[in-house]
Amino acid sequence: DTGVSQDPRHKITKRGQNVTFRCDPISEHNRLYWYRQTLGQGPEFLTYFQNEAQLEKSRLLSDRFSAERPKGSFSTLEIQRTEQGDSAMYLCASSSPPRASGGLVNTGELFFGEGSRLTVL
Amino acid sequence: GQNIDQPTEMTATEGAIVQINCTYQTSGFNGLFWYQQHAGEAPTFLSYNVLDGLEEKGRFSSFLSRSKGYSYLLLKELQMKDSASYLCAVRDDKIIFGKGTRLHILP
Repeated sequence: DTGVSQDPRHKITKRGQNVTFRCDPISEHNRLYWYRQTLGQGPEFLTYFQNEAQLEKSRLLSDRFSAERPKGSFSTLEIQRTEQGDSAMYLCASSSPPRASGGLVNTGELFFGEGSRLTVL
Repeated sequence: GQNIDQPTEMTATEGAIVQINCTYQTSGFNGLFWYQQHAGEAPTFLSYNVLDGLEEKGRFSSFLSRSKGYSYLLLKELQMKDSASYLCAVRDDKIIFGKGTRLHILP
């Protein structure tokens, strides 16, 4: 399977604990995104990478959140000292750069993993 | 700032046509996407517009007007399986999403 994979799929933790999620993107994709989604809402941007470089982190994101992509392949998202408000689905997505050449168009659309659902008790 | 607006919910009848609108205000623009998301599943790509005009793909079409900051997704011959949330997303460099439109299809 060459899709985006996320691990774990479900995580239940107690308030104050640290959690880490992993994302393995499609191998040829150089861009990797993390989003958070709660019920009835669209995906909220958290951060994104191009290769190993973190290009932007949402200003709404607490310092308790950190993400890495050390070798430009897989990525981890860590939440320290979890709070009940952190309960959500954490989505990872990857893409290749958009380009148009020779009549062919690569839209650079996102391919999503199945998500990691976090419940903080 | 960056803002993407779309209606929260819409209802339509099986076999009919529905248009879901999206307006956006972003610091830059390098394409607009529509995604479909069924309950409990990840979003899946539907369409992409970067130039003004209409893109047609089977029962789904998407329109873009960059000068108006406006797009719509048109779904024809609605089927029960089209009941889902439809997400409008804009790329300036990163890709950001609207809150989504939940579409209910009545038999």
